[in-house]
Amino acid sequence: AQSVSQHNHHVILSEAASLELGCNYSYGGTVNLFWYVQYPGQHLQLLLKYFSGDPLVKGIKGFEAEFIKSKFSFNLRKPSVQWSDTAEYFCAVNKEPGGANNLFFGTGTRLTVIP
Amino acid sequence: SQTIHQWPATLVQPVGSPLSLECTVEGTSNPNLYWYRQAAGRGLQLLFYSVGIGQISSEVPQNLSASRPQDRQFILSSKKLLLSDSGFYLCAWGLSVDIQYFGAGTRLSVL
Repeated sequence: AQSVSQHNHHVILSEAASLELGCNYSYGGTVNLFWYVQYPGQHLQLLLKYFSGDPLVKGIKGFEAEFIKSKFSFNLRKPSVQWSDTAEYFCAVNKEPGGANNLFFGTGTRLTVIP
Repeated sequence: SQTIHQWPATLVQPVGSPLSLECTVEGTSNPNLYWYRQAAGRGLQLLFYSVGIGQISSEVPQNLSASRPQDRQFILSSKKLLLSDSGFYLCAWGLSVDIQYFGAGTRLSVL
């Protein structure tokens, strides 16, 4: 069965530290990859997505993610975090031919940024 | 702009009671609609999705059902709640392969 793993359940960083949240999936075919974010008190929202092309994807608020097919990974990065990045981050994967009914989510990583 | 409304925000229900959670979408037509559940310490699990009025697909066998009486309305129901139905329920919508918008969620506690 397809699965998505986010090994870090809670990450605590100081402001200006660099961030990398891991995401690995277990499906050998063509996939679409997503990161969603939920800020405190707000709805879950799409942060960035990868369908094809350049494996380094830029998202909102300075986030980026790199698709490494050989490692089945789609890690989320930010060079310098801010207090406002405190949120819960979810990785999601769906397999071609796609369709959101095939969208599988990880368990989420809670990021706490200390001012 | 598109918005999604989901209510209630929290709900405490006794075992065996019925359930009705409602979700409505504004600012779009013929969206794909979804119900997800997040149990404690687990990822989001797709329960139901709908590509149109009256069209419901279920992803996992369960004690719940869904209906889509109108284009922008999606309802999650149960005739008799179980303890295991407790969790955080999210409604979402999208137009293609990705989900763009989630509702605020309903935290359901079955006691």
